[in-house]
Amino acid sequence: EVQLVETGGGLIQPGGSLRLSCAASGFTVSSNYMGWVRQAPGKGLEWVSVIYSGGSTYYSDSVKGRFTISRDNSKNTLYLQMNSLRVEDTAVYYCARIWGSYLGSFDYWGQGTLVTVSS
Amino acid sequence: DIQMTQSPSSLSASVGDRVTITCQASQDINNYLNWYQQKPGKAPKLLIYDASNLETGVPSRFSGSGSGTDFTFTISSLQPEDIATYFCQQYDNVPSYTFGQGTKLEIK
Repeated sequence: EVQLVETGGGLIQPGGSLRLSCAASGFTVSSNYMGWVRQAPGKGLEWVSVIYSGGSTYYSDSVKGRFTISRDNSKNTLYLQMNSLRVEDTAVYYCARIWGSYLGSFDYWGQGTLVTVSS
Repeated sequence: DIQMTQSPSSLSASVGDRVTITCQASQDINNYLNWYQQKPGKAPKLLIYDASNLETGVPSRFSGSGSGTDFTFTISSLQPEDIATYFCQQYDNVPSYTFGQGTKLEIK
């Protein structure tokens, strides 16, 4: 059974850093495209970042230069390092597997972890 | 950037009703469109991929259609468990993905 479990969220002051983890089971993270999607309270979904199976990484303009996506193949875990956090980064962060012929569908999602950026 | 415009933003319907949600892309995205269902406090769930293909295990009352810039998501007979927010998502310009703003569906 495929499962994704995010951890690492919490309350952080503006300008601070936080690292989110997403432990996967039932499939191999390094063989798949994986992504992070966030949802601000009461708002819609926003794509944040993706890492390809080959290791290439991409970011939305809103987080480029501040966030870093990575993975640990030995732990089958995806990470999101978030630096220089802003109030507007407050959201539930979901990790998800990317699937499909065109690698455009988020087919499995974690339960999400809440990041609150506030002074 | 490709913008996705969903309508309506909220919708109230009765059990058994046919429900339709539309999603318009700011440019041609072929059929590179997905639909997700999100229930309160839960992660989104993929329902429809490639505009019209039903994800495994999803009830057949859900369907999607469209190509180019205009897409439709339909629930043929609304059930109480379908109460959720629905999002469209384009993937024409991978590795950038864009979601619509969502449609909140309520029971009348």
